[in-house]
Amino acid sequence: GEDVEQSLFLSVREGDSSVINCTYTDSSSTYLYWYKQEPGAGLQLLTYIFSNMDMKQDQRLTVLLNKKDKHLSLRIADTQTGDSAIYFCAERFDTGRRALTFGSGTRLQVQP
Amino acid sequence: GAVVSQHPSWVICKSGTSVKIECRSLDFQATTMFWYRQFPKQSLMLMATSNEGSKATYEQGVEKDKFLINHASLTLSTLTVTSAHPEDSSFYICSARLAGGFSTDTQYFGPGTRLTVL
Repeated sequence: GEDVEQSLFLSVREGDSSVINCTYTDSSSTYLYWYKQEPGAGLQLLTYIFSNMDMKQDQRLTVLLNKKDKHLSLRIADTQTGDSAIYFCAERFDTGRRALTFGSGTRLQVQP
Repeated sequence: GAVVSQHPSWVICKSGTSVKIECRSLDFQATTMFWYRQFPKQSLMLMATSNEGSKATYEQGVEKDKFLINHASLTLSTLTVTSAHPEDSSFYICSARLAGGFSTDTQYFGPGTRLTVL
C-alpha cells in the first residue's frame, strides 16, 4: 500500500540548516517530490528526485534518497525566515493514474 | 511557465447550494488534472482524476454525484460541489499534468480554493 510519513514539526534558528525527513512504504515509486506550502496558499514544487538517484542538489536544497531504507530527506542550507512553511514529500507511481501520494507535512518554523 | 490558476480563491455559501470551482492551466495543455482536498493541518487527499474528454475517476469514498467533475478542454477542469454541507468546508486544490514530452511528468498545483459552507 501507499503510506508516506513525516515528522510534524521542526524549529530551527535563522542561518542554520534544516533537515526534513520522510519515509515511504512502497518501493515501486518512481519519482519523489518536495513541495512547499505557505499559509493559505497552494503547493509550490521545490525539487524532485528520480528513484534511481541517491542525491540531488539545487542551490540551497539537497535531497537525499535511501531507497533501501525508503527514506527521503530535504536539507535546506542557511535557512531563512521566508522558508517557514509546511513541507510535503510526495511519491508518484508509474502505474495507473499517476497521482501523487502526500506525506502529512512538516511545519518548519524558522526563528530569527 | 506552467502556471495553474483556480477560481474563486475563496467562497462562502449557504448549506444546500452548489459551488463550482474552476482549474485552468494558463500556459500549457493538460490532458490530466487532479483534484485534492485538504482539511486544516492535514495533508492533501486525492479526490479524483480528471481526463480531458472522458469521465473522471474517483477515489474510494468520494461521492461522484456530490463532486461533479468536468474536463471539457485541455486547459480547464471544473469541480462542482452539489448541495454543499458544512462538512464539505475545506481547501480544494487542483493540479495539472503537462501533456506529453516532459520527462518528469510533473504536476503543477493551483493556489487552492477555500470553501466555507454555513
